[in-house]
Amino acid sequence: EVQLVQSGAEVKKPGESLKISCKGSGYSFTNYWIGWVRQMPGKGLEWMGIIYPGDSDTRYSPSFQGQVTISADKSISTAYLQWSSLKASDTAMYYCARRITMVNWFDPWGQGTLVTVSS
Amino acid sequence: QSALTQPASVSGSPGQSITISCTGTSSDVGRYNYVSWYQQHPGKAPKLMIYDVSNRPSGVSSRFSGSKSGNTASLTISGLQAEDEADYYCSSYTSSSTLNWVFGGGTKLTVL
Repeated sequence: EVQLVQSGAEVKKPGESLKISCKGSGYSFTNYWIGWVRQMPGKGLEWMGIIYPGDSDTRYSPSFQGQVTISADKSISTAYLQWSSLKASDTAMYYCARRITMVNWFDPWGQGTLVTVSS
Repeated sequence: QSALTQPASVSGSPGQSITISCTGTSSDVGRYNYVSWYQQHPGKAPKLMIYDVSNRPSGVSSRFSGSKSGNTASLTISGLQAEDEADYYCSSYTSSSTLNWVFGGGTKLTVL
């Protein structure tokens, strides 16, 4: 079964750093893109960026360029989303999702990681 | 403001059909047949329901169908069931961003 399993919920203070993960299983991790999506409380979905673990080709939405870093460790089939200095406005649910090269849909999705940033 | 425009809410009674629209531009919905639809139940992750405008992934009910005309894509759910109550998001490939996909703002479907 193809699965993306994300790391658990995090509670952080403003200014702290954070790295959340998304582990793929049941498929060849290096041959599929992993995208990251933000969902702020009570709001809609927003594409943040995407990475191809095979060669670490990474692309960001202009809204998130410079705000987050997307990376992957193909040796452990895991993609990451990280912040160097969190803000309260980063409080959201974050999802990862898989994309096959040359197609334009994402399936499956991880279960989500809730990030809460509060002083 | 989202790149694609969806109605905030739609509703229907069990057994009825409803349609959710997703309006974009000539840079996304109007140019490419790469519209997908996702269903999200409260507290759950999104689930792919339709891809490439009108294709259903394996396991998705045939009650769900998609179409497109010009800059507007549509998701139709026939024979509404209580379990269809959820948020629905469209997404399209776009040539107007360095990240080539955009979402709609989402539509809350209420089954009366």
